Amino acid sequence: DIVMTQSPDSLAVSLGERATINCKSSQSVLYTSENKNYFAWYQQKPGQPPKLLIYWASTRESGVPDRFSGSGSGTDFTLTISSLQAEDVAVYYCQQYYSVPYTFGQGTKLEIK
Amino acid sequence: EVQLLESGGGLVQPGGSLRLSCAASGFTFSSYAMNWVRQAPGKGLEWVSSISGGDDRRFYTDSVKGRFTISRDNSKNTLHLQMDSLRAEDTAVYYCAKGSLSSDYSPADYWGQGTLVTVSS
Repeated sequence: DIVMTQSPDSLAVSLGERATINCKSSQSVLYTSENKNYFAWYQQKPGQPPKLLIYWASTRESGVPDRFSGSGSGTDFTLTISSLQAEDVAVYYCQQYYSVPYTFGQGTKLEIK
Repeated sequence: EVQLLESGGGLVQPGGSLRLSCAASGFTFSSYAMNWVRQAPGKGLEWVSSISGGDDRRFYTDSVKGRFTISRDNSKNTLHLQMDSLRAEDTAVYYCAKGSLSSDYSPADYWGQGTLVTVSS
């Protein structure tokens, strides 16, 4: 199984500042023949189901604000929120869909400082 | 508008069975893989099972293999998860989630609100 490890486990950032969450996979999730990373980021607010933010490591889902961006390839990935808004308080999860089981990271709790 | 509505959760004793259902609407159901993802109370997300759009490929996480069976009825736009030999560690909110692509390997772009399964004596 591919193990996904996020850092940090929790993060407090001031409103308007940048937030950065990292995720490392135990093996590459880059499908070289397609040059695509089978990697996604989700946001989960309290009492709600997860919401897809980013897929193919850097493609923003329709309707997701452009302050959210994803980067990285192979085994190392980053979610960046360029200017934190109050509504961004949530737990963020990374996921690989390169191979079964489609494993998630443990989650990163993002709060306002 | 895509909608996914889970049902069938509840309290069951260890060793018992439950059948979860997910009623889908707002998209061509048979064209997309579907998933079950669970979340134990206060914990993170765990992928449980997936089924291809044509119902010819099914995948499971190791901890549920031989106990859970995923199925779909494309004529009724419904996804199911038959859960047998339930254990306390199966206690979780179970989410139905739609694959974003027609292929098996894709992220989940729409999620239901979830149904709670509690395994306890």
